[in-house]
Amino acid sequence: NAGVMQNPRHLVRRRGQEARLRCSPMKGHSHVYWYRQLPEEGLKFMVYLQKENIIDESGMPKERFSAEFPKEGPSILRIQQVVRGDSAAYFCASSPSTGANVLTFGAGSRLTVL
Amino acid sequence: AQRVTQPEKLLSVFKGAPVELKCNYSYSGSPELFWYVQYSRQRLQLLLRHISRESIKGFTADLNKGETSFHLKKPFAQEEDSAMYYCALGVHGSSNTGKLIFGQGTTLQVKP
Repeated sequence: NAGVMQNPRHLVRRRGQEARLRCSPMKGHSHVYWYRQLPEEGLKFMVYLQKENIIDESGMPKERFSAEFPKEGPSILRIQQVVRGDSAAYFCASSPSTGANVLTFGAGSRLTVL
Repeated sequence: AQRVTQPEKLLSVFKGAPVELKCNYSYSGSPELFWYVQYSRQRLQLLLRHISRESIKGFTADLNKGETSFHLKKPFAQEEDSAMYYCALGVHGSSNTGKLIFGQGTTLQVKP
């Protein structure tokens, strides 16, 4: 079991470009969560998805950020027109449908905006 | 408001000394508390949860609803315990599963 897979591990973008971060949940897990960790800060919840559904996006910035978890393929966190303040580590976690709140984390994707 | 507070950013102790990593929470519902740990160059992983009431790697944590605390304790720290520790609160929405609210994290440094 490969666990939660995130790619790319490191992504460098210039201001105004788009960033796409991908997350494949653990086998058998149908719930995906995205967290952001800004420098010197803790993990901040962004969004919680199940297949083809956004369950809770209360932590997502109102503009430029979107997330999806299609029927086939990984979950994608998309950041349009990136700014320097988007530089952070983005962590994905997954959980089984019956395992409330016990999350398995990926290694994270580190986004650097120049 | 749902909040987790870890007041110490860094806790430095000598090997063999007792350790207590503080965690306080704010939640109007029935709390579910967790401790996650991130060792150097490794992924964030679950250390223990209050429901299990177990000891992992010598660590224990007791949920104190009166003080709204879930402090992590170990009687004798080891160098391999050096890591970043996050306290997390499980909150539930309308669905059965919910999300985790994390504290800021505490770096534990165990000196030889």
